[in-house]
Amino acid sequence: AVVTQEPSLTVSPGGTVTLTCGSSTGTVTSGQWPYWFQQKPGQAPRTLIYDTTNKHSLTPARFSGSLLGGKAALTLSGAQPEDEAEYYCSLSYSGDVIFGGGTKLTVL
Amino acid sequence: QVQLQESGPGLVKSSETLSLTCSVSGYSISTGYYWVWVRQPPGKGLEWLATIHLSGPTYYNPSLQSRVTISADTSKNQFSLKLTSVTAADTAVYYCATLHDAWGQGTLVTVSS
Repeated sequence: AVVTQEPSLTVSPGGTVTLTCGSSTGTVTSGQWPYWFQQKPGQAPRTLIYDTTNKHSLTPARFSGSLLGGKAALTLSGAQPEDEAEYYCSLSYSGDVIFGGGTKLTVL
Repeated sequence: QVQLQESGPGLVKSSETLSLTCSVSGYSISTGYYWVWVRQPPGKGLEWLATIHLSGPTYYNPSLQSRVTISADTSKNQFSLKLTSVTAADTAVYYCATLHDAWGQGTLVTVSS
């Protein structure tokens, strides 16, 4: 299986953007336990969203996860300059985890 | 608060075995959670390597299954990764994590010829 993400997206400060995570095997379901991670240059990834919609305790409220149009989605509402980063999703396939290639989000 | 810290050699010779340990604090690994190893080659994306759950199955990346082993030592609250027959393609930052909560800071492992 291949997990697909937009290579890059740009959002204006204060704007809203949706990142998606698709599967080559078809519709993404909650049973694939979609995760979303944020990684800034030189830092380890950090978990934003797990199991489709659940936020890590440190995830800002402006981030939310969902299923949208057959894909997992991460929506950022009210983008801040500090949200500029690489975002990765992951999906589980019967226990095997596959990461997407990442989306480079620019806040500009 | 769960915290993880990777440790191990930063330089491994080609064809030898890469061994890393993840020390966990703030949570007993035998209580639950799935514990994973992930790596990231320089300038590239994330690659899942293996998952262990102390009361459940172990999972391996099919592309590495013949070379990778994940194990746990509950007495030390640690879990470990072994990757055999390494090549330059195994040069990466290696992370241990429990994906829904915490990640280690990562450790760079370079494979030298």
